[in-house]
Amino acid sequence: KAGVTQTPRYLIKTRGQQVTLSCSPISGHRSVSWYQQTPGQGLQFLFEYFSETQRNKGNFPGRFSGRQFSNSRSEMNVSTLELGDSALYLCASSSFEGNYGYTFGSGTRLTVV
Amino acid sequence: SQQGEEDPQALSIQEGENATMNCSYKTSINNLQWYRQNSGRGLVHLILIRSNEREKHSGRLRVTLDTSKKSSSLLITASRAADTASYFCEDRDDKIIFGKGTRLHILP
Repeated sequence: KAGVTQTPRYLIKTRGQQVTLSCSPISGHRSVSWYQQTPGQGLQFLFEYFSETQRNKGNFPGRFSGRQFSNSRSEMNVSTLELGDSALYLCASSSFEGNYGYTFGSGTRLTVV
Repeated sequence: SQQGEEDPQALSIQEGENATMNCSYKTSINNLQWYRQNSGRGLVHLILIRSNEREKHSGRLRVTLDTSKKSSSLLITASRAADTASYFCEDRDDKIIFGKGTRLHILP
Protein backbone atom coordinates (compact mmCIF):
# COMPACT_ATOMS: atom_id res chain seq x y z
CA LYS A 1 0.00 0.00 0.00
CA ALA A 2 1.63 3.24 -1.11
CA GLY A 3 2.09 5.92 1.50
CA VAL A 4 1.38 9.61 1.28
CA THR A 5 3.22 11.03 -1.70
CA GLN A 6 4.32 14.62 -1.85
CA THR A 7 5.79 16.25 -4.91
CA PRO A 8 8.18 17.75 -5.51
CA ARG A 9 10.59 16.75 -2.74
CA TYR A 10 12.70 19.86 -3.11
CA LEU A 11 11.95 23.22 -4.62
CA ILE A 12 13.79 26.49 -4.95
CA LYS A 13 11.82 29.59 -5.78
CA THR A 14 12.51 33.29 -5.98
CA ARG A 15 10.86 35.81 -3.71
CA GLY A 16 7.65 37.09 -5.26
CA GLN A 17 6.94 33.94 -7.24
CA GLN A 18 4.17 31.52 -6.52
CA VAL A 19 4.38 27.78 -5.90
CA THR A 20 2.06 24.79 -5.96
CA LEU A 21 2.75 21.68 -3.92
CA SER A 22 0.99 18.40 -4.42
CA CYS A 23 -0.09 15.66 -2.06
CA SER A 24 -1.49 12.26 -2.97
CA PRO A 25 -3.04 10.58 0.07
CA ILE A 26 -3.10 6.90 0.81
CA SER A 27 -5.69 5.23 -1.36
CA GLY A 28 -9.08 5.44 0.32
CA HIS A 29 -8.10 8.27 2.63
CA ARG A 30 -10.42 11.24 2.31
CA SER A 31 -8.93 13.61 4.86
CA VAL A 32 -5.82 15.60 3.99
CA SER A 33 -4.02 18.10 6.20
CA TRP A 34 -1.12 20.42 5.46
CA TYR A 35 1.55 21.64 7.88
CA GLN A 36 4.51 23.98 7.75
CA GLN A 37 7.63 23.21 9.72
CA THR A 38 10.42 25.71 10.35
CA PRO A 39 13.21 25.76 12.95
CA GLY A 40 11.89 28.97 14.43
CA GLN A 41 8.15 28.34 14.55
CA GLY A 42 8.12 24.59 14.76
CA LEU A 43 5.27 22.63 13.27
CA GLN A 44 2.23 24.67 12.34
CA PHE A 45 -1.09 23.58 10.93
CA LEU A 46 -2.11 25.14 7.63
CA PHE A 47 -5.45 23.60 6.65
CA GLU A 48 -7.42 20.41 6.48
CA TYR A 49 -9.70 19.06 3.78
CA PHE A 50 -12.26 16.33 3.82
CA SER A 51 -14.22 15.33 0.75
CA GLU A 52 -13.13 18.46 -1.14
CA THR A 53 -14.26 20.79 1.67
CA GLN A 54 -11.95 22.79 3.88
CA ARG A 55 -12.80 21.76 7.43
CA ASN A 56 -10.24 23.74 9.35
CA LYS A 57 -7.70 26.46 8.78
CA GLY A 58 -4.67 27.63 10.71
CA ASN A 59 -3.42 31.15 11.27
CA PHE A 60 -1.72 31.81 7.97
CA PRO A 61 -2.15 34.75 5.61
CA GLY A 62 -4.36 34.49 2.55
CA ARG A 63 -1.28 33.91 0.39
CA PHE A 64 -1.56 30.32 1.51
CA SER A 65 -4.41 28.43 -0.09
CA GLY A 66 -5.32 24.87 -0.80
CA ARG A 67 -7.83 22.64 -2.44
CA GLN A 68 -8.79 19.00 -2.65
CA PHE A 69 -9.92 17.17 -5.71
CA SER A 70 -12.57 14.49 -6.07
CA ASN A 71 -9.89 11.79 -5.97
CA SER A 72 -8.76 13.21 -2.60
CA ARG A 73 -5.47 14.51 -3.98
CA SER A 74 -4.70 17.91 -2.61
CA GLU A 75 -2.67 20.90 -3.62
CA MET A 76 -1.50 23.90 -1.68
CA ASN A 77 -0.49 27.15 -3.26
CA VAL A 78 1.61 29.96 -1.88
CA SER A 79 1.54 33.21 -3.79
CA THR A 80 3.96 36.13 -3.60
CA LEU A 81 6.59 34.06 -1.85
CA GLU A 82 8.57 35.58 0.98
CA LEU A 83 11.90 34.45 2.39
CA GLY A 84 10.11 33.37 5.55
CA ASP A 85 8.08 30.85 3.58
CA SER A 86 11.15 28.64 3.33
CA ALA A 87 10.15 25.53 5.20
CA LEU A 88 9.34 21.86 5.09
CA TYR A 89 5.71 21.46 4.05
CA LEU A 90 4.15 18.25 5.25
CA CYS A 91 0.96 16.61 4.13
CA ALA A 92 -0.92 13.98 6.09
CA SER A 93 -3.91 11.84 5.22
CA SER A 94 -6.41 9.90 7.26
CA SER A 95 -9.18 7.48 6.47
CA PHE A 96 -11.23 9.00 9.23
CA GLU A 97 -13.08 12.28 9.23
CA GLY A 98 -10.07 14.05 10.63
CA ASN A 99 -8.82 14.23 14.20
CA TYR A 100 -6.76 11.09 14.35
CA GLY A 101 -4.88 8.33 12.59
CA TYR A 102 -2.83 10.54 10.30
CA THR A 103 -0.07 9.24 8.06
CA PHE A 104 2.46 11.81 6.96
CA GLY A 105 4.34 12.21 3.74
CA SER A 106 8.04 12.97 3.61
CA GLY A 107 7.39 16.59 2.83
CA THR A 108 8.40 19.17 0.28
CA ARG A 109 11.41 21.28 1.20
CA LEU A 110 10.78 24.77 -0.17
CA THR A 111 13.59 27.29 -0.27
CA VAL A 112 12.82 30.87 -1.19
CA VAL A 113 15.79 32.94 -2.33
CA SER B 1 -1.18 32.44 19.33
CA GLN B 2 -1.98 29.67 21.74
CA GLN B 3 0.21 26.63 21.54
CA GLY B 4 0.69 23.27 23.06
CA GLU B 5 4.05 23.56 24.74
CA GLU B 6 6.22 20.55 25.38
CA ASP B 7 8.46 20.30 28.39
CA PRO B 8 11.37 19.72 28.59
CA GLN B 9 12.75 21.04 25.33
CA ALA B 10 15.46 18.41 25.35
CA LEU B 11 16.00 15.21 27.31
CA SER B 12 18.87 12.71 27.36
CA ILE B 13 18.49 9.40 29.17
CA GLN B 14 20.20 6.02 29.25
CA GLU B 15 18.80 3.21 27.17
CA GLY B 16 16.38 1.19 29.23
CA GLU B 17 15.26 4.11 31.37
CA ASN B 18 11.84 5.68 31.17
CA ALA B 19 11.32 9.04 29.51
CA THR B 20 8.56 11.45 30.44
CA MET B 21 7.56 14.46 28.41
CA ASN B 22 4.89 16.96 29.24
CA CYS B 23 2.65 19.13 27.16
CA SER B 24 0.59 22.08 28.32
CA TYR B 25 -2.13 23.76 26.36
CA LYS B 26 -4.07 26.94 26.84
CA THR B 27 -7.46 26.26 25.31
CA SER B 28 -9.94 23.52 25.93
CA ILE B 29 -9.37 20.47 23.78
CA ASN B 30 -11.35 17.92 21.89
CA ASN B 31 -8.47 15.59 21.17
CA LEU B 32 -4.80 15.74 22.01
CA GLN B 33 -2.35 13.80 19.92
CA TRP B 34 1.30 12.93 20.25
CA TYR B 35 3.65 12.58 17.30
CA ARG B 36 7.24 11.51 16.85
CA GLN B 37 9.61 12.84 14.24
CA ASN B 38 13.02 11.52 13.35
CA SER B 39 15.15 11.87 10.28
CA GLY B 40 14.67 8.28 9.26
CA ARG B 41 10.91 7.92 9.34
CA GLY B 42 9.52 11.42 9.18
CA LEU B 43 6.55 12.40 11.31
CA VAL B 44 4.58 9.55 12.81
CA HIS B 45 1.32 9.67 14.71
CA LEU B 46 1.73 7.93 18.06
CA ILE B 47 -1.43 8.19 20.06
CA LEU B 48 -4.59 10.21 20.48
CA ILE B 49 -6.30 10.91 23.77
CA ARG B 50 -9.75 12.42 23.85
CA SER B 51 -10.89 15.04 26.31
CA ASN B 52 -13.06 12.53 28.17
CA GLU B 53 -10.17 10.11 28.64
CA ARG B 54 -7.59 10.32 31.42
CA GLU B 55 -5.10 7.68 30.37
CA LYS B 56 -4.27 5.67 27.30
CA HIS B 57 -1.71 2.99 26.54
CA SER B 58 -0.10 1.83 23.34
CA GLY B 59 2.74 -0.63 23.68
CA ARG B 60 5.53 1.10 25.62
CA LEU B 61 3.70 4.41 25.46
CA ARG B 62 1.45 5.77 28.14
CA VAL B 63 -0.35 9.08 27.76
CA THR B 64 -2.23 10.88 30.49
CA LEU B 65 -4.47 13.89 30.26
CA ASP B 66 -5.35 16.29 33.04
CA THR B 67 -7.93 18.72 31.74
CA SER B 68 -8.03 20.62 35.05
CA LYS B 69 -4.35 21.44 34.62
CA LYS B 70 -4.57 21.56 30.83
CA SER B 71 -1.65 19.23 30.53
CA SER B 72 -0.74 15.88 29.08
CA SER B 73 2.24 13.64 29.60
CA LEU B 74 3.83 11.02 27.40
CA LEU B 75 5.74 8.24 29.13
CA ILE B 76 8.00 5.94 27.13
CA THR B 77 9.02 2.93 29.16
CA ALA B 78 12.18 0.86 28.67
CA SER B 79 13.58 3.32 26.16
CA ARG B 80 15.49 2.15 23.10
CA ALA B 81 17.94 3.82 20.76
CA ALA B 82 15.20 3.95 18.13
CA ASP B 83 13.17 6.23 20.42
CA THR B 84 15.66 9.02 19.76
CA ALA B 85 13.49 11.63 18.07
CA SER B 86 11.52 14.80 18.60
CA TYR B 87 8.11 14.42 20.17
CA PHE B 88 5.25 16.83 19.58
CA CYS B 89 1.85 17.25 21.10
CA GLU B 90 -1.01 18.58 19.06
CA ASP B 91 -3.94 20.38 20.59
CA ARG B 92 -6.91 19.65 18.41
CA ASP B 93 -9.57 22.17 19.25
CA ASP B 94 -10.96 24.78 16.95
CA LYS B 95 -7.41 25.68 16.03
CA ILE B 96 -4.98 22.84 15.53
CA ILE B 97 -1.74 23.77 17.16
CA PHE B 98 1.53 21.99 17.70
CA GLY B 99 4.14 22.63 20.32
CA LYS B 100 7.79 22.96 19.33
CA GLY B 101 8.62 19.53 20.57
CA THR B 102 10.83 17.71 23.03
CA ARG B 103 14.08 16.36 21.61
CA LEU B 104 14.70 13.00 23.20
CA HIS B 105 18.14 11.41 22.96
CA ILE B 106 18.67 7.86 24.14
CA LEU B 107 22.23 7.20 25.22
CA PRO B 108 23.72 3.71 24.70
